[in-house]
Amino acid sequence: KQEVTQIPAALSVPEGENLVLNCSFTDSAIYNLQWFRQDPGKGLTSLLLIQSSQREQTSGRLNASLDKSSGRSTLYIAASQPGDSATYLCAVPIQGGSEKLVFGKGTKLTVNP
Amino acid sequence: GAVVSQHPSWVICKSGTSVKIECRSLDFQATTMFWYRQFPKQSLMLMATSNEGSKATYEQGVEKDKFLINHASLTLSTLTVTSAHPEDSSFYICSARGQGFQPQHFGDGTRLSIL
Repeated sequence: KQEVTQIPAALSVPEGENLVLNCSFTDSAIYNLQWFRQDPGKGLTSLLLIQSSQREQTSGRLNASLDKSSGRSTLYIAASQPGDSATYLCAVPIQGGSEKLVFGKGTKLTVNP
Repeated sequence: GAVVSQHPSWVICKSGTSVKIECRSLDFQATTMFWYRQFPKQSLMLMATSNEGSKATYEQGVEKDKFLINHASLTLSTLTVTSAHPEDSSFYICSARGQGFQPQHFGDGTRLSIL
């Protein structure tokens, strides 16, 4: 059964700091992994989608890496800003390339001005 | 592009009431829609998957008679929580996906509070 764990559960940093969010999953036979952002009381915004053949994906100040063999992914945020404050969720298919996603509980990030 | 609209965003109602939540894809045809539930500080849990014109597929432990899903067109799916009780209070989020290997696009969610 696919399970996704995100560490830490919460993180508070001063503005400008670089930070790393961690995601681990139990079944490594996945076709892709996604990182989402969720603002309080809102839905999800897709940040990055990494295919299993890729090791990294970048979008602006965000960089996500994927190590399938170890069942891990990291989301690196460079030069954090107060507007980055949100909960970041990691999601993988329940198995293979299934359209059904399993989500972690998220990391709540607070960037202080 | 790829906007999913969910309505209402917030609803409060008395125990025993049935509540309907709408999920619309505004600028694409959604062959598949998904309904999730999220309790405070918990992860999103998939409730059911619906394909246009066919019956929804429910995840284990989700009562299909309690959570009625209708995916009547390529742009609209509805979730009806029948005879809602306080334990049904949660944040419900829908997502929609186009044909082929397309990513899911999420709505803004509906906060349901049953008194």
